[in-house]
Amino acid sequence: EAQVTQNPRYLITVTGKKLTVTCSQNMNHEYMSWYRQDPGLGLRQIYYSMNVEVTDKGDVPEGYKVSRKEKRNFPLILESPSPNQTSLYFCASRPYSNTADIQYFGAGTRLSVL
Amino acid sequence: GENVEQHPSTLSVQEGDSAVIKCTYSDSASNYFPWYKQELGKRPQLIIDIRSNVGEKKDQRIAVTLNKTAKHFSLHITETQPEDSAVYFCAASRGNTDKLIFGTGTRLQVFP
Repeated sequence: EAQVTQNPRYLITVTGKKLTVTCSQNMNHEYMSWYRQDPGLGLRQIYYSMNVEVTDKGDVPEGYKVSRKEKRNFPLILESPSPNQTSLYFCASRPYSNTADIQYFGAGTRLSVL
Repeated sequence: GENVEQHPSTLSVQEGDSAVIKCTYSDSASNYFPWYKQELGKRPQLIIDIRSNVGEKKDQRIAVTLNKTAKHFSLHITETQPEDSAVYFCAASRGNTDKLIFGTGTRLQVFP
């Protein structure tokens, strides 16, 4: 079954404690993204990657890091989380093609930073 | 960069009525316009999309129209049902490697 898998689904942490949210896709997609969703603000892109070892900033990259060492994995790293990073996070993937294609979302990770 | 505005932010309709959600975009180079539905506690899922070479696309009770000149596109849901209740997001992209820019969402409530 084609899917994007995120872990964990729920996470409560404290300010400053480093954390990683994992994302994995089994569709051999080149393009992967991280979004955060906040009430009234919709989905905002944090970082994206067009292929292995290629990453770039989205609209709200401050306070986040990513890596793309393998095609299937695209972890999101918060080196020193702060309360304003409390949010719902989605990983997504799609093929890299000449025309835009369907983007598949993971189930989401709800993060609370105390 | 691209900016997508979506209206209304909330929409309440009676079951069986139609619902229309509108989005405008700023980048005339955008050529791909998907609509996502997000049910409570779930991930966004694509329900319909349109590319800039067509003006309208239908899939059963849902349709999307695109006016490239005015740079706006709309989602139309006819014969609404309670299960249509969700948050709907529009988005725009220049396609290929370009990122999707999302609107801020419309919460649709369909009352029986």
